[in-house]
Amino acid sequence: QVQLVQSGAEVNKPGASVRVSCQAYGYTFTDYYMHWVRQAPGQGLEWMGVINPTGGSTNYAHKFQGRVTMTRDTSTSTVYMELSTLRSEDTAVYYCARSSKTYYFGMDVWGQGTTVTVSS
Amino acid sequence: EIVLTQSPGTLSLSPGERATLSCRASQSVNSKLLAWYQKKPGQAPRLLIYGASGRATGIPDRFSGSGSGTDFTLIISRLEPEDFAVYYCQQYGGSLSWTFGQGTRVEI
Repeated sequence: QVQLVQSGAEVNKPGASVRVSCQAYGYTFTDYYMHWVRQAPGQGLEWMGVINPTGGSTNYAHKFQGRVTMTRDTSTSTVYMELSTLRSEDTAVYYCARSSKTYYFGMDVWGQGTTVTVSS
Repeated sequence: EIVLTQSPGTLSLSPGERATLSCRASQSVNSKLLAWYQKKPGQAPRLLIYGASGRATGIPDRFSGSGSGTDFTLIISRLEPEDFAVYYCQQYGGSLSWTFGQGTRVEI
């Protein structure tokens, strides 16, 4: 069964960093890009960036450049998103989602979401 | 960067009515790279439409997408109670860069 399973909720202090994981099951990990999308309370969906599991190349939305790092571990089919220098505005639900590398059929499989709360 | 502007912000309708949602791009978009998603509280987004008009697996045929260039539309032909949600358009702008519209809320 194709699924993405994310790590659990996090509570962090301002200025700290958070790392969220997303483990892929049921498909060939390297055939799909993996994206990170977040939704802050009362806000819309915001694309943060993407990683190519083959080789690990990344592209980040301009807003997050310098603060976000996406990595992957092909041995466990897991991708990681680390966000540093957290501020209260980073309180959000963070999702991973895949999309095909060969043809864009949209982001067809999503993780369950990880709630990150930034609070002192 | 291409900006997607969705309208209206909120659509107030009743079950059985038709919903027409608009997504306008700041410059021309390859329609093959335009998708629509449904988002409900507490749930992950759900892919509805890809390639502007292709229905994703398991999506009922009351959902349809159309458009080209800068103007795209999602139509829900007869609203079911479970369709009340927020809908987002999204485009792939090339160079591994994606953007979402700000969303349209469909409410009773």
